[in-house]
Amino acid sequence: AQTVTQSQPEMSVQEAETVTLSCTYDTSENNYYLFWYKQPPSRQMILVIRQEAYKQQNATENRFSVNFQKAAKSFSLKISDSQLGDTAMYFCAFMKGSGAGSYQLTFGKGTKLSVIP
Amino acid sequence: ETGVTQTPRHLVMGMTNKKSLKCEQHLGHNAMYWYKQSAKKPLELMFVYNFKEQTENNSVPSRFSPECPNSSHLFLHLHTLQPEDSALYLCASSQEGQGRFGYTFGSGTRLTVV
Repeated sequence: AQTVTQSQPEMSVQEAETVTLSCTYDTSENNYYLFWYKQPPSRQMILVIRQEAYKQQNATENRFSVNFQKAAKSFSLKISDSQLGDTAMYFCAFMKGSGAGSYQLTFGKGTKLSVIP
Repeated sequence: ETGVTQTPRHLVMGMTNKKSLKCEQHLGHNAMYWYKQSAKKPLELMFVYNFKEQTENNSVPSRFSPECPNSSHLFLHLHTLQPEDSALYLCASSQEGQGRFGYTFGSGTRLTVV
């Protein structure tokens, strides 16, 4: 079974600054996908960024980027130029790419990020 | 418009009541999921449906009964729940085989069992 660990229950950052959220995972799979989801107070989970394990290049989406270290099983999220609208719970998630249970998301417990004006 | 609509948004029910949660998507997806989100715990996958067929039941108690009449609709029927079942219930959808691109989630139903 896969596990996802987010070791920072809460974090805060000043507006316009940069913050990094940590995520580690445990798996014996070689084919998998990693995701960061954002859940604002509206409760809807929104996909922020995704990474395919077979790609060495780190994914980027505007102000959001990841540092994917496959050997270390680490998948951190960097938010640059933080904005008030980034205040939310952030969840790291893992998905097997094949075999039983593939294409099912396994989530970490989340990190509550507060952006301070 | 989220693409995945869940109703009701809030629900309070007694332990002897019977109620249903509804999820609807018009994204053309054919895989749908129920997740339970409790405070201080990771989201828990409850049920998976692919092409209306249940393909996963993650050891969920029988007081939760899913129904998927077609690829666009998913229900979660609730009866004789316990207070510990109070949680946010999230529905999600994806294109079968395309889940690697991520799921689309609804805004959830906040359930309180009294």
